[in-house]
Amino acid sequence: SQQGEEDPQALSIQEGENATMNCSYKTSINNLQWYRQNSGRGLVHLILIRSNEREKHSGRLRVTLDTSKKSSSLLITASRAADTASYFCATEPAGANSKLTFGKGITLSVRP
Amino acid sequence: ETGVTQSPTHLIKTRGQQVTLRCSSQSGHNTVSWYQQALGQGPQFIFQYYREEENGRGNFPPRFSGLQFPNYSSELNVNALELDDSALYLCASSPSRVTGANVLTFGAGSRLTVL
Repeated sequence: SQQGEEDPQALSIQEGENATMNCSYKTSINNLQWYRQNSGRGLVHLILIRSNEREKHSGRLRVTLDTSKKSSSLLITASRAADTASYFCATEPAGANSKLTFGKGITLSVRP
Repeated sequence: ETGVTQSPTHLIKTRGQQVTLRCSSQSGHNTVSWYQQALGQGPQFIFQYYREEENGRGNFPPRFSGLQFPNYSSELNVNALELDDSALYLCASSPSRVTGANVLTFGAGSRLTVL
């Protein structure tokens, strides 16, 4: 079963614009992570936010977490064509020790 | 530092056959997890191995089994293959547990097609 649900399912933007992706989940968590996947290959970790944190930044990435609403958002600023990929949110349920639950993913297309 | 390597990258089997997929974890990582990713879906947790023992299992039948070796490498075995087993199988390793902050390092995956 997939706990996380991302929206939108697909997003198409122009290079230089910002991309915002949202994720909702159902149970208590230790942390929430975002991963990126290019063309059906392995996933690459982007950023992790712990349950007691509200916002984190890493380069052009900004992630927020609202545990009361069980939701998160990922903002990619000044997007580039190379950001074209699928993005997944993943939650580590409380007590689940690295056993991540992934959503179905968001397909981001950045037009040059 | 080497990453996670998986083999084979692609393979084709027929229904009823058995398959073994292999994974070498990243240096310094002692925990290995396996995920199944069907086309257009997110990865689904199969099971995790820590210190050569299964340490948690997702909603997969017993014909999915695994091993972890003393060097922390791992195998995923699937018996009696079914058409729905066609998927990308991802191996991920992680270091000794840091409370609430474990990041997975994924391999490139093994794409299994069952005919």
